[in-house]
Amino acid sequence: SQKIEQNSEALNIQEGKTATLTCNYTNYSPAYLQWYRQDPGRGPVFLLLIRENEKEKRKERLKVTFDTTLKQSLFHITASQPADSATYLCALDPDYGGSQGNLIFGKGTKLSVKP
Amino acid sequence: NAGVTQTPKFQVLKTGQSMTLQCAQDMNHEYMSWYRQDPGMGLRLIHYSVGAGITDQGEVPNGYNVSRSTTEDFPLRLLSAAPSQTSVYFCASSLSSGGPGTDEQFFGPGTRLTVL
Repeated sequence: SQKIEQNSEALNIQEGKTATLTCNYTNYSPAYLQWYRQDPGRGPVFLLLIRENEKEKRKERLKVTFDTTLKQSLFHITASQPADSATYLCALDPDYGGSQGNLIFGKGTKLSVKP
Repeated sequence: NAGVTQTPKFQVLKTGQSMTLQCAQDMNHEYMSWYRQDPGMGLRLIHYSVGAGITDQGEVPNGYNVSRSTTEDFPLRLLSAAPSQTSVYFCASSLSSGGPGTDEQFFGPGTRLTVL
């Protein structure tokens, strides 16, 4: 069956450390993978998009990797801050870049950064 | 720009009632979609539209209806509300009609619906 899994429901880390979140997928071949941040009571906010031919993408303290062989994306936040505490969602397009509307989301990982 | 707006923010319905959740965007986006978010289930796609006059079903379309008469608006209708439709509903839009994976999705603030 097709699945997208974020391996931790919750991740607790100390301020200043690097947070690493994992997104694994099964029986999909996405051309794109996206990461979103969601704060309580709010809609998700887009962070990064990575294409299958991009191994790594960076934006300020954020880094995303995309390994199509392992069927895995890693999301890193370096020098984490309490303000980074939120739920992080990964999402992929199951239609290999096509026009079908089924952007599939993982259930999310709730990150808590302690001062 | 207001971005993606949704009304109402909260709604309580009785079983069997119908209602329309409103969604509008002012970014001239072609692609719009509706998701529901339930604890432990993540975001699930209900319906989507790649442009005015074009709609299609997502993963969980039963009990919901949509139409897209303008680029800006994409209302979601609950035909006969059921307790299983208690959820938080998010509308999203993106610039590209080439598929949701190709471009960032802009989400609205959500509508929290309770069906008694």
